[in-house]
Amino acid sequence: DAGITQSPRHKVTETGTPVTLRCHQTENHRYMYWYRQDPGHGLRLIHYSYGVKDTDKGEVSDGYSVSRSKTEDFLLTLESATSSQTSVYFCAISESSGFGDYTFGSGTRLTVV
Amino acid sequence: RKEVEQDPGPFNVPEGATVAFNCTYSNSASQSFFWYRQDCRKEPKLLMSVYSSGNEDGRFTAQLNRASQYISLLIRDSKLSDSATYLCVVNLNSGYSTLTFGKGTMLLVSP
Repeated sequence: DAGITQSPRHKVTETGTPVTLRCHQTENHRYMYWYRQDPGHGLRLIHYSYGVKDTDKGEVSDGYSVSRSKTEDFLLTLESATSSQTSVYFCAISESSGFGDYTFGSGTRLTVV
Repeated sequence: RKEVEQDPGPFNVPEGATVAFNCTYSNSASQSFFWYRQDCRKEPKLLMSVYSSGNEDGRFTAQLNRASQYISLLIRDSKLSDSATYLCVVNLNSGYSTLTFGKGTMLLVSP
């Protein structure tokens, strides 16, 4: 019943390389989010989107960019991966921003070596 | 003051115990409130919304105290399957209009 999928599920990449993570939804929700989760920090918002081509920064956006060219897809790009970006990345979707609950994807475990 | 603060735990309880988690939030103008559950190496999932009047879902009771900027989650008759991390989540209404997640409280229920 997964209305939201993330790819890849796991990735190991080298420092300095660009990396793109994909989030795909079949729920036609307007809002999409990228979070990272690290021990001791919890979930932190990287970027979010409130419509096609409409995106905004979250609290930890440095080093990341996003794109949303279709309702169903939200891409997160690490422009030049660093070891500090080793993390678990979760995508989430919601019908309304901040007032409704979020549904999360299964996450992408990214390791930058 | 951290925006959404929780006791990290872990809380170790025997099966059948009652356990309570607390959460404080920084902005008195905050609006929506939720509890999420996250199993080890899994994604967070909504456990329940928190309403001003308090609400109950089976063994789970959530309460909100706006005056004290405080949310609680009570779990009665704990089951082994309740072992997870419980995340307090708030719309802080402070710029992003998105949900802010606490770091979570880990619960371990033992036989």
